[in-house]
Amino acid sequence: DVKVTQSSRYLVKRTGEKVFLECVQDMDHENMFWYRQDPGLGLRLIYFSYDVKMKEKGDIPEGYSVSREKKERFSLILESASTNQTSMYLCASRAWGAYGELFFGEGSRLTVL
Amino acid sequence: DQQVKQNSPSLSVQEGRISILNCDYTNSMFDYFLWYKKYPAEGPTFLISISSIKDKNEDGRFTVFLNKSAKHLSLHIVPSQPGDSAVYFCAASGGSNYKLTFGKGTLLTVNP
Repeated sequence: DVKVTQSSRYLVKRTGEKVFLECVQDMDHENMFWYRQDPGLGLRLIYFSYDVKMKEKGDIPEGYSVSREKKERFSLILESASTNQTSMYLCASRAWGAYGELFFGEGSRLTVL
Repeated sequence: DQQVKQNSPSLSVQEGRISILNCDYTNSMFDYFLWYKKYPAEGPTFLISISSIKDKNEDGRFTVFLNKSAKHLSLHIVPSQPGDSAVYFCAASGGSNYKLTFGKGTLLTVNP
C-alpha cells in the first residue's frame, strides 16, 4: 500500500512563527502536492512538484514556499505564519504523469494564534 | 473562476436508497475525473475515476457517469450505507496539466 506520512497531525503556532510541514511518501512517486482544505472552499492547491528540486505554484501560493531536495520528501514552509493560514493541510503524491489517482496523507491541522 | 463545481453542499438519503452526487466542470481541456471521499480529520481517499473516452465506470456499489456534452458527471452509490456518510469531492485534470482541480465537496448523510 502507498503510504503518505505527514509529520504532525496537529500544530499550534503563534503569528509570525516559521512553520515547517513535512511529508514523506514511500512509493517512489514523481509528483507531490500540497493542498489546504477549508470549510466551504474545498481543496485548494498551494504548490506541487513533478520532480526533485522542481516546483510549481498552485492556485494559492502566497505566503507559502516548498522544498523538495529528495524524491520522497516534500516540505511546505510558512515563512511567517498568519491567522488566515489556520487550516487543514493535505499532502499527496502520484506516480509519473498527469493522470492517475492522488494518494493523500492524514492531514495536518494547523492553528495560528 | 471555479472550474469544478459541486452545487449541492449537502445531501441526505435513507439507508438502502440511491445517493446521487453531481459535479459540473467548465474547462473543456479536462479529460480525467475522479471522486474522493473524506471523513473528518482524515485525508481524502480515492473512490473511482473515469476518463473522457468512457461514459460510465463501475466499481461495486459506486458508478460514475460522464456526460461530456453537458460537462457533467455524477456519482451513484447503490445501496447507500451509513458508513458512506462523508464529504465527497469531485476532481478533474487534463492534458499536460499536472494539477488536480477539486470541487468544494458535498456532505452526504445516510440515515439508518
